[in-house]
Amino acid sequence: AQSVTQPDIHITVSEGASLELRCNYSYGATPYLFWYVQSPGQGLQLLLKYFSGDTLVQGIKGFEAEFKRSQSSFNLRKPSVHWSDAAEYFCAVGARGTGNQFYFGTGTSLTVIP
Amino acid sequence: NAGVTQTPKFQVLKTGQSMTLQCAQDMNHEYMSWYRQDPGMGLRLIHYSVGAGITDQGEVPNGYNVSRSTTEDFPLRLLSAAPSQTSVYFCASSYKFGQVAYEQYFGPGTRLTVT
Repeated sequence: AQSVTQPDIHITVSEGASLELRCNYSYGATPYLFWYVQSPGQGLQLLLKYFSGDTLVQGIKGFEAEFKRSQSSFNLRKPSVHWSDAAEYFCAVGARGTGNQFYFGTGTSLTVIP
Repeated sequence: NAGVTQTPKFQVLKTGQSMTLQCAQDMNHEYMSWYRQDPGMGLRLIHYSVGAGITDQGEVPNGYNVSRSTTEDFPLRLLSAAPSQTSVYFCASSYKFGQVAYEQYFGPGTRLTVT
């Protein structure tokens, strides 16, 4: 069965520090992977996506993610965090099923200390 | 483009009342879906649709009905509201899965409280 695990419920980093949010997936076929960000009281915004090809994917707001098939992981990174990056981050896998069904992780809440 | 719109933004219901959450998109997307978001549980799929006249159940469909009479609209009906349905509801839309999965576009959400 398809599933996504985000092991870290909450992460706190200092402004300017680097960030890595973990995501592990379970999916039998080629995974289509996404990272979304949700600011407080807002909907979800796409940060980046992986379909195929280069395993290092660049996204908006200076984020990148690396797909590692051997580890079933798609970790999100940012070299230097800004206070405005404080938000909830969701990893998702798009399944080749009916329609375009996504399986979401439970999210990682990021706090940025000034 | 307005993208995905949802109304209302906030709603308070009493147990047993019914209501409809509205969702509309202007991107001509075939796929539309409803999620509920609860603390610590991420987003859970309630119902989805792959086109007008076609709907199916997701992970947590009990207590909810949907219909899709047009490409643009995908309303979610709560038949008899229960406190367990207190949640934030998101509507999303995308192109239908072709060779790849497509990103889903999300509405701003409806915060529902059932007392």
